[in-house]
Amino acid sequence: DAGVIQSPRHEVTEMGQEVTLRCKPISGHDYLFWYRQTMMRGLELLIYFNNNVPIDDSGMPEDRFSAKMPNASFSTLKIQPSEPRDSAVYFCASRLAGAHYEQYFGPGTRLTVT
Amino acid sequence: AQSVTQLGSHVSVSEGALVLLRCNYSSSVPPYLFWYVQYPNQGLQLLLKYTSAATLVKGINGFEAEFKKSETSFHLTKPSAHMSDAAEYFCAVSDPGGNTGKLIFGQGTTLQVKP
Repeated sequence: DAGVIQSPRHEVTEMGQEVTLRCKPISGHDYLFWYRQTMMRGLELLIYFNNNVPIDDSGMPEDRFSAKMPNASFSTLKIQPSEPRDSAVYFCASRLAGAHYEQYFGPGTRLTVT
Repeated sequence: AQSVTQLGSHVSVSEGALVLLRCNYSSSVPPYLFWYVQYPNQGLQLLLKYTSAATLVKGINGFEAEFKKSETSFHLTKPSAHMSDAAEYFCAVSDPGGNTGKLIFGQGTTLQVKP
């Protein structure tokens, strides 16, 4: 299997612009998670989906952030408008229901907002 | 609420020395426990997991961890450090609240290996 795929790997944008991060989970996995990693806050769970339905979005920092999962093989995390404090590495992870909670992580998208 | 504490944000060892990374969790029910490793500019990779079978768990790259319920600990060890072990290590525990599917991660420990 190809593993969790994320694109782009690097994104540099200017403050105020819209940013869209993409994730393709491992085929057959039921859960998809979006995380953000920064030096200050460490690894934070933003939102997760089960069978394409958002279950918990309590980690989404504010209304500028939104996430969708239109089908089992694709999810997006959108930031509009972006701000410099959104600069971080964003990870997507997926797991199979009943698999002892083991999550598989993608390589991440490094976002820089100038 | 479930929490994970990793003692020591930075650990430095000499090549060939014992590696010990500490992890304590809070849980009222036996959890599933994990150690992940993150190499520079990469995603998190599963090292090993405890899922209520043997309390001593062996993982990849010579790492192992022991689940001690009485101490609510799941420390990670490796007998002899290698330069390639330099990375950040995360301990994680399953969220016991009604099969939410979430993992609760510790803050991470950066392992430095000196030649």
